[in-house]
Amino acid sequence: DAGVTQSPTHLIKTRGQQVTLRCSPKSGHDTVSWYQQALGQGPQFIFQYYEEEERQRGNFPDRFSGHQFPNYSSELNVNALLLGDSALYLCASSTKRLRGNQPQHFGDGTRLSIL
Amino acid sequence: AQKVTQAQTEISVVEKEDVTLDCVYETRDTTYYLFWYKQPPSGELVFLIRRNSFDEQNEISGRYSWNFQKSTSSFNFTITASQVVDSAVYFCALSEGNGGSQGNLIFGKGTKLSVKP
Repeated sequence: DAGVTQSPTHLIKTRGQQVTLRCSPKSGHDTVSWYQQALGQGPQFIFQYYEEEERQRGNFPDRFSGHQFPNYSSELNVNALLLGDSALYLCASSTKRLRGNQPQHFGDGTRLSIL
Repeated sequence: AQKVTQAQTEISVVEKEDVTLDCVYETRDTTYYLFWYKQPPSGELVFLIRRNSFDEQNEISGRYSWNFQKSTSSFNFTITASQVVDSAVYFCALSEGNGGSQGNLIFGKGTKLSVKP
């Protein structure tokens, strides 16, 4: 039973560039959420995708966008990268098929460094 | 506003000691969920427990136990007889929403636990 997988593991970009991060949810999950975790901080919610639509969004600018595919996998895109975007980006999956707020299962994350 | 506070930034104990990690939350919702996650150095957040706002029963799982008290808005986590493998950053998180919906997780800043042999 594969868990949440993210790619790439590490990424180095320069200011102004664009980046795409990828996530495959745990088998049986249909909902994908993205979080940004700065060093020494707790994860901050970016947005959540369900049925290929953005359902919830945290306090992040429009430079952060995403997509969910029919197979439930997801991408996070960040445009016009800033030094402050350097962080660990975590993908989490869950399911809305069960009642209640089911636990979100996290991947190992993508470490993004902006030079 | 929703908020999770983990006042302890770092805790260091010696193996076999008991340790309690504190978590205080704020929410206006009557229906909410509380979680604890463990983050080892590898980075992956490992789910430990979920508790809904209507279930104040304490829970024990092996060496782990959780004390949920709505009166003080706290959801504390105790590790009994700590082991070196327990060393990690532990996050408390809050999620609001009713059955069937999936609220986003609001995390505290985490408590770094170091267990020394």
